[in-house]
Amino acid sequence: EAGVTQFPSHSVIEKGQTVTLRCDPISGHDNLYWYRRVMGKEIKFLLHFVKESKQDESGMPNNRFLAERTGGTYSTLKVQPAELEDSGVYFCASSPAGGDEKLFFGSGTQLSVL
Amino acid sequence: AQTVTQSQPEMSVQEAETVTLSCTYDTSESNYYLFWYKQPPSRQMILVIRQEAYKQQNATENRFSVNFQKAAKSFSLKISDSQLGDTAMYFCAFMNYNQGGKLIFGQGTELSVKP
Repeated sequence: EAGVTQFPSHSVIEKGQTVTLRCDPISGHDNLYWYRRVMGKEIKFLLHFVKESKQDESGMPNNRFLAERTGGTYSTLKVQPAELEDSGVYFCASSPAGGDEKLFFGSGTQLSVL
Repeated sequence: AQTVTQSQPEMSVQEAETVTLSCTYDTSESNYYLFWYKQPPSRQMILVIRQEAYKQQNATENRFSVNFQKAAKSFSLKISDSQLGDTAMYFCAFMNYNQGGKLIFGQGTELSVKP
């Protein structure tokens, strides 16, 4: 069974550009989460989807970040326009319905904004 | 608000020896989960061990075990018979029962296992 897949694994962009990160959860997992770790700091929760609905987006830093999960399958996280402080590793995780404590993580996308 | 603190940014241990990683947390909740995740150089976050707060018995997974002290809000990870493959960043994390999937992480401890 495939795990949580994220791509690209690395992205280098210039300040002001747009970047879209993608996450494919484990098939059948209703719950999908985005987390990020900016340089040297803790991993922070960004948001939680249940199927295609945003359950909790309290961790989204500002309106430059837009997450979608069309059809309740894969999810995208768009940053527009990117700022220097957005650099870090963006993790996606998924879990089955009723299994909120059973998160499976992807390998993350390393985003560098220059 | 809940917080998780890992006071050891870096640690090292000789292969085959035992090492303990510290974690403390702060919460007013009584029902929650605690986790240790491992992040090797491949960057994938891997669940090492999970503890449910209502269970008094410490969780164990092969060479990994925890010392869960609920009153002291302490959750340390012991790695026995350390192996080179244990070299990784280790994160302690907290999850409230009522906030499924929303993990609160500590700062991480970078563990190096030396041959």
